[in-house]
Amino acid sequence: GNSVTQMEGPVTLSEEAFLTINCTYTATGYPSLFWYVQYPGEGLQLLLKATKADDKGSNKGFEATYRKETTSFHLEKGSVQVSDSAVYFCALSQNTGFQKLVFGTGTRLLVSP
Amino acid sequence: KAGVTQTPRYLIKTRGQQVTLSCSPISGHRSVSWYQQTPGQGLQFLFEYFSETQRNKGNFPGRFSGRQFSNSRSEMNVSTLELGDSALYLCASSLDSGANEKLFFGSGTQLSVL
Repeated sequence: GNSVTQMEGPVTLSEEAFLTINCTYTATGYPSLFWYVQYPGEGLQLLLKATKADDKGSNKGFEATYRKETTSFHLEKGSVQVSDSAVYFCALSQNTGFQKLVFGTGTRLLVSP
Repeated sequence: KAGVTQTPRYLIKTRGQQVTLSCSPISGHRSVSWYQQTPGQGLQFLFEYFSETQRNKGNFPGRFSGRQFSNSRSEMNVSTLELGDSALYLCASSLDSGANEKLFFGSGTQLSVL
């Protein structure tokens, strides 16, 4: 079946540090890939997405590239801020026409001043 | 524009009871999905409704059911509650149904089963 594997957290960084959160997936065919972010006490928000191989999704300084050869979709940001502290979820959606996200376990990011 | 609204925010029930959770999607959105979030299992898909029809269902027992009304509002019901049903239940809406649709999530209903 389809699955998403994320690096264990928490990831603890100082402000302005470089961020990488690893995400790999297992799926048949060509899924769409997403990063969602969850701030404390809130629901998830879509951060970025990519729908085909070599696509790069980007938003708010975050970016991720759909790598089919390595089945990966790593999230990166060049300079994190305290306000980026949240839980980040990698997810995939099989392009069957149905809307069903398969999520990774989430990675908590803690950014200190 | 109001976001996705879930009520109630918190619920405490005892084993064997049943519970109904409500979700009001963003105005104009026709698709509503439900997810269960627990520390052990993470986020798991429950079901999706579009135009009052269930389009897809996750691997949950029949105790979990849902429905969608003509105004796109949705409810999910869990009967004969078990301790393991304690979770954050998240509802998400989107304009249309499809694998690449942007989902907008509510803040969730935190269900505790004692």
